[in-house]
Amino acid sequence: DGGITQSPKYLFRKEGQNVTLSCEQNLNHDAMYWYRQDPGQGLRLIYYSQIVNDFQKGDIAEGYSVSREKKESFPLTVTSAQKNPTAFYLCASSTQTSSNEQFFGPGTRLTVL
Amino acid sequence: KNQVEQSPQSLIILEGKNCTLQCNYTVSPFSNLRWYKQDTGRGPVSLTIMTFSENTKSNGRYTATLDADTKQSSLHITASQLSDSASYICVVTSDSARKLIFGTGTRLQVFP
Repeated sequence: DGGITQSPKYLFRKEGQNVTLSCEQNLNHDAMYWYRQDPGQGLRLIYYSQIVNDFQKGDIAEGYSVSREKKESFPLTVTSAQKNPTAFYLCASSTQTSSNEQFFGPGTRLTVL
Repeated sequence: KNQVEQSPQSLIILEGKNCTLQCNYTVSPFSNLRWYKQDTGRGPVSLTIMTFSENTKSNGRYTATLDADTKQSSLHITASQLSDSASYICVVTSDSARKLIFGTGTRLQVFP
């Protein structure tokens, strides 16, 4: 059963704590992405990785960190430096073809208490 | 500035009726345009993709159109069903950076 999975679905964090969101794909895609979705706004790119052991900052990378040690996995850490972390986080993956179609995971809703 | 604007922001229709959602973009250079459907609390799922040379693409009851001259796209939903209730997001890829620019979406609610 191919696809992209995210865990957990819901996550609660106290202020000042770091938290890591999981993203795994078995689509054999080279590229992976993290987006943040807030009400009334379009998806905003946090980080992306086009190949293992390499990743690039997106438009809103401050307060976030990522790693890409395996092709299948692209975890996102929300650090205490992120001032407004409550949001819906979406992970996506794609091939490196020109169509660049991105396939999205089910999302993780992070709430800071 | 690369932007994608969608209208209306929200829409309520009765089951069985048709509706049309609009997308205007100012992305340049243009590579392709996609429409995604996003159910509440879920990830977006691709409905259609169109390149510069395509002006219409269908996927079941969903038909997307593209006018590259006026930089406008529409998504027409025929004979709406309750399961069509979702947000519909227009996404344009900028060829120069292979970057996706997302619209804010149209929230569609279909009532029986």
